[in-house]
Amino acid sequence: AQKITQTQPGMFVQEKEAVTLDCTYDTSDPSYGLFWYKQPSSGEMIFLIYQGSYDQQNATEGRYSLNFQKARKSANLVISASQLGDSAMYFCAMREVHGSGNTGKLIFGQGTTLQVKP
Amino acid sequence: DAGVTQSPTHLIKTRGQQVTLRCSPKSGHDTVSWYQQALGQGPQFIFQYYEEEERQRGNFPDRFSGHQFPNYSSELNVNALLLGDSALYLCASSGVLEANEKLFFGSGTQLSVL
Repeated sequence: AQKITQTQPGMFVQEKEAVTLDCTYDTSDPSYGLFWYKQPSSGEMIFLIYQGSYDQQNATEGRYSLNFQKARKSANLVISASQLGDSAMYFCAMREVHGSGNTGKLIFGQGTTLQVKP
Repeated sequence: DAGVTQSPTHLIKTRGQQVTLRCSPKSGHDTVSWYQQALGQGPQFIFQYYEEEERQRGNFPDRFSGHQFPNYSSELNVNALLLGDSALYLCASSGVLEANEKLFFGSGTQLSVL
């Protein structure tokens, strides 16, 4: 069964510094997709970044980058130059893939609460 | 361009009652998924609707049912509410034209069962 593990319940970072949020995954499928979402107190899940299992390069989206280490089954999120508005819950997720293609089912980790200090 | 909209934002019900939650997908999206997020947990997949049919279902009892309308909007119905059904219910939409078919989420409906 597919599984996502986020081992950091809470993290603190100083404003303008970089922070890494850990994510490990378990799957026997050779094809899968990994996502990071941000959830502020408003509740909405905001898409941050995506990494496909066959992508040769690590994904980047502005201040967000994904450190993808396939052999170790890890997909850590790196946020550079942290801002106060980055304070939120962060979820790593994996898309379940069936033989017929992508499904709409994302499997989420437990999340990491990030607090950015001024 | 409106994103995913959900209504109501908050709801209070008592045990045994029935509830209906509503979702309008992002413009251009034809697939709607529903997730349940208990406090302090990650979201759990309930089911997905495409072309007005349930295409995939997570590990939820039959008390949870849904519907998708021709305009792609969707409803989530929960019967015989239990205290444990208290959670944030998130709707997500997607479409084949989205890169990597990523999901766009609404702000959710906070359901409290007393």
